[in-house]
Amino acid sequence: DAEITQSPRHKITETGRQVTLACHQTWNHNNMFWYRQDLGHGLRLIHYSYGVQDTNKGEVSDGYSVSRSNTEDLPLTLESAASSQTSVYFCASSESGGYGYTFGSGTRLTVV
Amino acid sequence: AQKVTQAQTEISVVEKEDVTLDCVYETRDTTYYLFWYKQPPSGELVFLIRRNSFDEQNEISGRYSWNFQKSTSSFNFTITASQVVDSAVYFCALSDHTGGFKTIFGAGTRLFVKA
Repeated sequence: DAEITQSPRHKITETGRQVTLACHQTWNHNNMFWYRQDLGHGLRLIHYSYGVQDTNKGEVSDGYSVSRSNTEDLPLTLESAASSQTSVYFCASSESGGYGYTFGSGTRLTVV
Repeated sequence: AQKVTQAQTEISVVEKEDVTLDCVYETRDTTYYLFWYKQPPSGELVFLIRRNSFDEQNEISGRYSWNFQKSTSSFNFTITASQVVDSAVYFCALSDHTGGFKTIFGAGTRLFVKA
């Protein structure tokens, strides 16, 4: 069965360290997205990609980067982790614009 | 500009009560899509429904129903005869042409269903 997986599920890191969160999907979806979830804010878009070599900034992209070298993967990198980046991160993919998302299980990141 | 407002932060009901979750959206586009997602206590996000802007028909799926009204820019979600398993956070979301069809989410409504 097709799926979308995130790793790790939990991560604790120190301020200033570089961290990469993995997202891998086998749906063959062109569209992939990264969101962060914080209490009172719902899900906010960090970065997204509509295909290989395509990446775009979302509403809260500062301090984050992504790259898309193949259809399956969209890793999210925190260049220098800050306490404000403590959050739950969700990766999602969709068949095309305007379609519902399939979400990964999330990564809980704590920056200490 | 895109915006989704879920004014109800938390709702608490007793099992078997009906409950309606409100969603108001803003968009300048004529082509857009609306969604509801469920996030149970286990944390995963589950897609429930998608509606396009040209289809104002209400939809019913078992105990769930959705009322889409363009005149009031609302896409409300009703659970009939609620059950404890309905306890979750529910997110309304919008995807429109101007935004490149990326999806923005409301802040969510946390529903508690007590036995």
